[in-house]
Amino acid sequence: AQSVTQPDIHITVSEGASLELRCNYSYGATPYLFWYVQSPGQGLQLLLKYFSGDTLVQGIKGFEAEFKRSQSSFNLRKPSVHWSDAAEYFCAVKPGNQFYFGTGTSLTVIP
Amino acid sequence: DTAVSQTPKYLVTQMGNDKSIKCEQNLGHDTMYWYKQDSKKFLKIMFSYNNKELIINETVPNRFSPKSPDKAHLNLHINSLELGDSAVYFCASSPGAGLRDTQYFGPGTRLTVL
Repeated sequence: AQSVTQPDIHITVSEGASLELRCNYSYGATPYLFWYVQSPGQGLQLLLKYFSGDTLVQGIKGFEAEFKRSQSSFNLRKPSVHWSDAAEYFCAVKPGNQFYFGTGTSLTVIP
Repeated sequence: DTAVSQTPKYLVTQMGNDKSIKCEQNLGHDTMYWYKQDSKKFLKIMFSYNNKELIINETVPNRFSPKSPDKAHLNLHINSLELGDSAVYFCASSPGAGLRDTQYFGPGTRLTVL
């Protein structure tokens, strides 16, 4: 079955530490890939997206993500986390004209 | 100059009532969507309209009826509300319905059915 998996339901990191959020997908072909962030009480904001080409994509707020075809993964990274990064992060895939979202990873940042 | 706006932000109502949520986008996009986010934060698409025509209609009870009076608006009407309808409903829009069209989300409407 087609799916998007975010294995980590909740992650806690210290401010200034590095961050990696995992995303794996299961589709027949490489879909278009996205990361969104949802701050408390807010809608979803696009962080970055991958369609083709360079497998390392840069996004807003200092985030980047790397597409690894062999692992069917699109992990989100940030070298140094800020307290304002505390939010819910959603990976999404678009194999056709429809988005499918993962179940999200909640990020807590401690001082 | 909010790109995708929804009203109301919060909606508390009794079971059995009928309610509507409105969505407007000022991005000039052709395609609009409704998503439901449940208590576990799972996001699932409900409907999509492209140029006022329904193009995606997932398995949603027919108590839910979307209406698109024009390209910039997509409203969601819910009849005979049930407890299980409690969720956050997100509207989104995209330039078109193509593969590369990114979706932009509204702030959400938190619906609580008592």
